[in-house]
Amino acid sequence: GAVVSQHPSWVICKSGTSVKIECRSLDFQATTMFWYRQFPKQSLMLMATSNEGSKATYEQGVEKDKFLINHASLTLSTLTVTSAHPEDSSFYICSARDQWDRGGYTFGSGTRLTVV
Amino acid sequence: DAKTTQPPSMDCAEGRAANLPCNHSTISGNEYVYWYRQIHSQGPQYIIHGLKNNETNEMASLIITEDRKSSTLILPHATLRDTAVYYCIVRVDGSQGNLIFGKGTKLSVKP
Repeated sequence: GAVVSQHPSWVICKSGTSVKIECRSLDFQATTMFWYRQFPKQSLMLMATSNEGSKATYEQGVEKDKFLINHASLTLSTLTVTSAHPEDSSFYICSARDQWDRGGYTFGSGTRLTVV
Repeated sequence: DAKTTQPPSMDCAEGRAANLPCNHSTISGNEYVYWYRQIHSQGPQYIIHGLKNNETNEMASLIITEDRKSSTLILPHATLRDTAVYYCIVRVDGSQGNLIFGKGTKLSVKP
């Protein structure tokens, strides 16, 4: 089945620094990828929709200048958390649409970000 | 997309069947019922989906009531590795938008 690789699986960074998270579709092309954030004991919340070759669409309340999304190819989308603060500590998950996959969506394994 | 209602938590004994209910009373005629699960600190995993007929695959069975207002996901022989949060989602098949996750059901399989 379809595989989405997300890297890194966990990262610890200092306040004020930036962190880049990569999401790759390994055996299919994904024109659309989604970025979610999940706080402890809560459900996944959509942050933005990433479309290859165009600007991402951000959900209400998500700062586009803080969470930079780049989807420059059909197999790679990146999320950069800029000037990270402790409140940005969360579990970030990407998802890619695969029209041939049974469920239609394949998820990465997630990135645990801790800002200290 | 229609809203779903699931119990917040359930327990199941290892080796027994786990039956997870989901209410979706406002489901539209062209909306499918999808089930995903999320094991702790991992991304969600697709389990099964269906429109109105019961479905079975290697992971689970999906029973949808005749009026389609509710469904039940059945894990026939639960193992400790099935401990996870299970999400029931309704959506139009093939639509381009994202998946909207509710709070799901935390299933704890106990030895």
